[in-house]
Amino acid sequence: NAGVTQTPKFQVLKTGQSMTLQCAQDMNHNSMYWYRQDPGMGLRLIYYSASEGTTDKGEVPNGYNVSRLNKREFSLRLESAAPSQTSVYFCASSRELSYEQYFGPGTRLTVT
Amino acid sequence: TQLLEQSPQFLSIQEGENLTVYCNSSSVFSSLQWYRQEPGEGPVLLVTVVTGGEVKKLKRLTFQFGDARKDSSLHITAAQPGDTGLYLCAGVWSTLTFGKGTMLLVSP
Repeated sequence: NAGVTQTPKFQVLKTGQSMTLQCAQDMNHNSMYWYRQDPGMGLRLIYYSASEGTTDKGEVPNGYNVSRLNKREFSLRLESAAPSQTSVYFCASSRELSYEQYFGPGTRLTVT
Repeated sequence: TQLLEQSPQFLSIQEGENLTVYCNSSSVFSSLQWYRQEPGEGPVLLVTVVTGGEVKKLKRLTFQFGDARKDSSLHITAAQPGDTGLYLCAGVWSTLTFGKGTMLLVSP
C-alpha cells in the first residue's frame, strides 16, 4: 500500500519547455488535488478533481492544465514553463471533497 | 476568499519546553484540520476538529477548536526534537484553505 505516489521527485526545465507531473493513489479515494508550496505562501490549490470525470480550478490555476485519467491517476501539465512556476508541487487525495487529505512526497521543480 | 492566519511564523525552543501555536480566521469553518510537515516530505494529517469548543489530545499534543469555530490552537507539552516541523492548519469549506504554517524547531 504505497498511498500517494508522485513522479518525478526533481525536475529542471528551461523557460518555455513543457512537462507533465504524474500522481497516483491506491486508496480508492474519489477526490484528488494539486497544490504548490512556496516559501512564505503556504500551500495553494492549483486544481482539484472531486470525482472521476470532473476537474475544477483552485486558487492559482493559470499556466496549468490537469487530467483525471481514471480514479487512481491525476496529472498536472505545464504547457510552457515560466520561472514563476518554480516551486514544490504536491498531489493529495481524499475519500470525498474536504475530507482528510493524504499527500504525496512532492516534486521539486526549477524553471530557469 | 477565506484566509487563515497562523502565529507565530517561527518558533525555536529547547527540549522540554511547552508551546502553543494559533490559527485564526474571520470566517466560520465547518471543521478544521491540523497537519505536520517534515523537511522534504508532504504534510501528514494530525487531527480534525469539528465541534465548537472541542478538545482533542494526541499524546503530548492538545488541539482546541474555538467556541465560534473561527479559531484553533495546538499546544505541545514537553516538546521533543522529533516534534520539529512545519505545523499547518487548514479550514474546511468546499475545499481546504491552508494557513502559511508555523515552523517549529526543538533543540536538544
